[in-house]
Amino acid sequence: DIVLTQTPLSLSVTPGQPASISCKSSQSLVHNDGQTYLYWYLQKPGQPPHLLIYEVSNRFSGVPDRFSGSGSGTDFTLKISRVEAEDAGVYYCMQTIQPPLYTFGQGTKLEIK
Amino acid sequence: QVQLVQSGAEVRRPGSSVRVSCKASGDSFNNHAITWLRQAPGQGLEWMGRTIAILGIAHYAQKFQGRVTITADKSTNTAYMDLSSLTPEDTAVYYCAASFSKPFDYWGQGTLVTVSS
Repeated sequence: DIVLTQTPLSLSVTPGQPASISCKSSQSLVHNDGQTYLYWYLQKPGQPPHLLIYEVSNRFSGVPDRFSGSGSGTDFTLKISRVEAEDAGVYYCMQTIQPPLYTFGQGTKLEIK
Repeated sequence: QVQLVQSGAEVRRPGSSVRVSCKASGDSFNNHAITWLRQAPGQGLEWMGRTIAILGIAHYAQKFQGRVTITADKSTNTAYMDLSSLTPEDTAVYYCAASFSKPFDYWGQGTLVTVSS
């Protein structure tokens, strides 16, 4: 099974400052079709997760442009250019290259100072 | 806009079973995957299995094989997750999630299942 490892597991950021989360995969997430199936979700306290980024770098509908995703192969990064109070929560990366068994990273908790 | 509404919280004794439902409104999920995931207290997300109603098939995580059954009723646009032989380690919030245009682009609100003697 593919293992996704996120770092850091927690971070505390002042509003207006940037934040960055890494997600490393135990195997390449590049599919035979050329797509890379790596996603990012945010789970705010008391809520289900919601989709932020799909296929490495594409913002889902309604996601602010301060969120960006990058990476390739086995190394991926989620960046928030200027953190806002509403960005607090736990961020998860997820892979879907081996359907239907999808796996998540452990989660990274973002606290706003 | 798709909405997924799950059934309410459940309390079960060890060794018993539980059924959680997930009703979709706003669009039919017949052609789309409905996945069940769970989140133990203070823990991360765990994929349990999924079904695609129109195909009438289901896939399960090996960890839950033999204990979980995921079904979908096309006529009522409702998916179900049955979990048997419950232990306290099954205490968790159980989520359904639909994949319409992207994986898990819609989520239910979550159902807390507590297993305690």
